[in-house]
Amino acid sequence: GAVVSQHPSWVICKSGTSVKIECRSLDFQATTMFWYRQFPKQSLMLMATSNEGSKATYEQGVEKDKFLINHASLTLSTLTVTSAHPEDSSFYICSARDRLNYGYTFGSGTRLTVV
Amino acid sequence: QKEVEQNSGPLSVPEGAIASLNCTYSDRGSQSFFWYRQYSGKSPELIMSIYSNGDKEDGRFTAQLNKASQYVSLLIRDSQPSDSATYLCAVKGEGTDKLIFGTGTRLQVFP
Repeated sequence: GAVVSQHPSWVICKSGTSVKIECRSLDFQATTMFWYRQFPKQSLMLMATSNEGSKATYEQGVEKDKFLINHASLTLSTLTVTSAHPEDSSFYICSARDRLNYGYTFGSGTRLTVV
Repeated sequence: QKEVEQNSGPLSVPEGAIASLNCTYSDRGSQSFFWYRQYSGKSPELIMSIYSNGDKEDGRFTAQLNKASQYVSLLIRDSQPSDSATYLCAVKGEGTDKLIFGTGTRLQVFP
């Protein structure tokens, strides 16, 4: 089946630094990649949608200059959290939509802790 | 604002019983509906998708969709302790690729 590899699975960084999270679709081409954030005991909140080769579309309230998304190829998308602060600590999950069968495949998630 | 509503639970059922999870959505134009299971600290995993009115069965799981009532449900037969998790309902609206998630229902299956 379709697999999305997400790295790192967890990361601890100092306040003010930047962190990059990577998602790769291993056996399919992802036309669209979605990035979610999930705080403890809450549901997944969509942050942004990106299509290969074009700028990401951010949801209301999500700072595009803080959460940089790059979707340079049909198999790779990255999310960079810039100048991270403790309130950015969360579980970040990517989801890729298969170009052929339109299914959604989730990455394994990245636990970000900003200290 | 398009919304997906679920009872947060916890829903507690004994092992071997049927667990019934419910979800309502506000966007009448929604076309695709998904149930995901999420264990604590893990990413969601797809259980079932349903696109047309009626029932869809897959093993111990049955999804039910009623578009007129804007209601989708998931039945889990012969519940097992390993089914204990949070179940997320997700809806794809008309003309969009986005999935909107409900808040999830926590299911506890006790031996």
